[in-house]
Amino acid sequence: ELKVEQNPLFLSMQEGKNYTIYCNYSTTSDRLYWYRQDPGKSLESLFVLLSNGAVKQEGRLMASLDTKARLSTLHITAAVHDLSATYFCADQGYNTDKLIFGTGTRLQVFP
Amino acid sequence: DTGVSQDPRHKITKRGQNVTFRCDPISEHNRLYWYRQTLGQGPEFLTYFQNEAQLEKSRLLSDRFSAERPKGSFSTLEIQRTEQGDSAMYLCASSGGLGTEAFFGQGTRLTVV
Repeated sequence: ELKVEQNPLFLSMQEGKNYTIYCNYSTTSDRLYWYRQDPGKSLESLFVLLSNGAVKQEGRLMASLDTKARLSTLHITAAVHDLSATYFCADQGYNTDKLIFGTGTRLQVFP
Repeated sequence: DTGVSQDPRHKITKRGQNVTFRCDPISEHNRLYWYRQTLGQGPEFLTYFQNEAQLEKSRLLSDRFSAERPKGSFSTLEIQRTEQGDSAMYLCASSGGLGTEAFFGQGTRLTVV
């Protein structure tokens, strides 16, 4: 069964702190996506990671992919309140287009 | 607006009624996807099209659900004889090909009463 597991499920952090969200996936496709979702809104694409060792950064967010460990991480640097949202990783199965999403990590950044 | 467009944004229907949702993808994208998201969960794949061909359907897509993309452009998702368990956000996405990012529409929130 294709599975994507994220942890933690909920993260409450203080502004200015750093933290990492972990995403374990089960397929061998090694195509991994990160999305952000604000309450009641749709999904915003953050990163597409397509190869082992891929690292992408946008502002305070950095995503990486380790295909040998089937692990992707989303690192948050010096969190600010605007980053409060739910973050999903999604694995694109081998030989298929469908995305398999994790359960999401709800991030809350407080002053 | 060049993003993925979904209509309607909200739909409230009585149990047993049929509903139809529409999705207009980004114009140059040949792949179109439907997902369903219930509260507190990640989106679940329902089906996807490459041009007008429906290439994959999830087991979640019971025989009450049907999706079409007749001319390879917009798509419709119909739910017949709605049940309360169908209440969810229905998300449409499009992409330009395998390994490219999928862009999501704003979703249609369905409430079955």
